This record gives sequence, C-alpha cells and structure tokens, in this order.
Amino acid sequence: GAGVSQSPSNKVTEKGKDVELRCDPISGHTALYWYRQSLGQGLEFLIYFQGNSAPDKSGLPSDRFSAERTGGSVSTLTIQRTQQEDSAVYLCASSLGGDQPQHFGDGTRLSIL
Amino acid sequence: GNSVTQMEGPVTLSEEAFLTINCTYTATGYPSLFWYVQYPGEGLQLLLKATKADDKGSNKGFEATYRKETTSFHLEKGSVQVSDSAVYFCALSGGRSSARQLTFGSGTQLTVLP
Repeated sequence: GAGVSQSPSNKVTEKGKDVELRCDPISGHTALYWYRQSLGQGLEFLIYFQGNSAPDKSGLPSDRFSAERTGGSVSTLTIQRTQQEDSAVYLCASSLGGDQPQHFGDGTRLSIL
Repeated sequence: GNSVTQMEGPVTLSEEAFLTINCTYTATGYPSLFWYVQYPGEGLQLLLKATKADDKGSNKGFEATYRKETTSFHLEKGSVQVSDSAVYFCALSGGRSSARQLTFGSGTQLTVLP
C-alpha cells in the first residue's frame, strides 16, 4: 500500500511477556520514527532512524525497549518483560528526512494484562 | 529542550462557528511547526505546516501563521463543520538542537454540533 503499515493492529499480552511490533514505512522514506500515545503522557518520541546513521534512542523509557531497522526499511520495536505501564498505542512514522512531514501509521494498540 | 503548550480542551462548537486553538512553543533557533489531526478511529494526519517565521500554513479551510515574536502557531478556521470533529495536535521539530523528532502538545478535542 501507499501508506505506513503497522502490525499487529491490536496486541494483548500478559505482564512479563516480550512483544514485537512491526512497522513498514513508505517506500523511499529514509527516516523512520517510533512514538507512543498514552492517556497520561500524550504523544512521546521513542526512537528515530535516519538512513545508515546510528539511531537516536534518546526517547526510549527503559532498557526493556529496543528497536532495529533492517535493510533501511522495515522496523521492529521490541519490549521485553512488559509492564502494565507499557499499555499504549505505539505509532510509527516515516518521512523523506530533514524537516519533511512525517506520515503516520494507524498504530498498534498494546494492552498488558 | 523543545516544548509545546496547547489550549486545553475539550472544545464544543456549533456548525459554522469560528475556531481558534491556541498553541505556543519553546525552542531555540527556528523550528518547523505543524498541526496534526486525528479523526475518530483513524491515525494521525498532517493538517498543515510552516517552516519559517511569518509563513502561513493552510489546508481544508484551516490556517495557522508562524509567529516568531510571540512563539505561537494558533490554528484557525472561519466556519467549522461537523466533519471537523477530531483531536488536533500542535507539534514542532528541528530548531537549534536539529532534533528531527516531533514534540507534540497535549492535543485538543474538538466537537462540532449540527
């Protein structure tokens, strides 16, 4: 498709389990971002990939969170040993880089029981 | 660091009313400014943007002007429609920190009644 694709759209898991969230950016977009949207914290930046440069991980809330981007395209956000406070909508966005507008996927709604 | 302060909601208006949603920012240098909209059950969509002082972004009847002197980027629309009901987010990126990630305001829920 033409837009940013995220999967799964919904994920329910038990506390302590690991989860992987996937993002397929718009073809040709060199920049990829992960954000988190939660009731208490609003929209928060997590991590940013630009081309082959080292990612900006400054927004990751703890070392349980990690992300990778393979081949400059698809990205996976991994949360280890999930906690209830990780419940949120995880949004992925991509852009052509620089100050070009970011295009968002529909998000993955993560619920930790 | 960068920050965005946005008018608290929710805002409820009648159809054809005038809309203003206030947004002010803190950043060094010259950030780019954006308004994003999230319709019910949908993802975030870019509504409009402005990249330098005095620029006016516009789309779908919405406008916002980048005011460096007041560090503001207020969203306006002259006549709202029921279909404009959504959550509106003000955001910025860049500036002297060169940070490319978006810093968002808290969002303003708009409901337009027929």
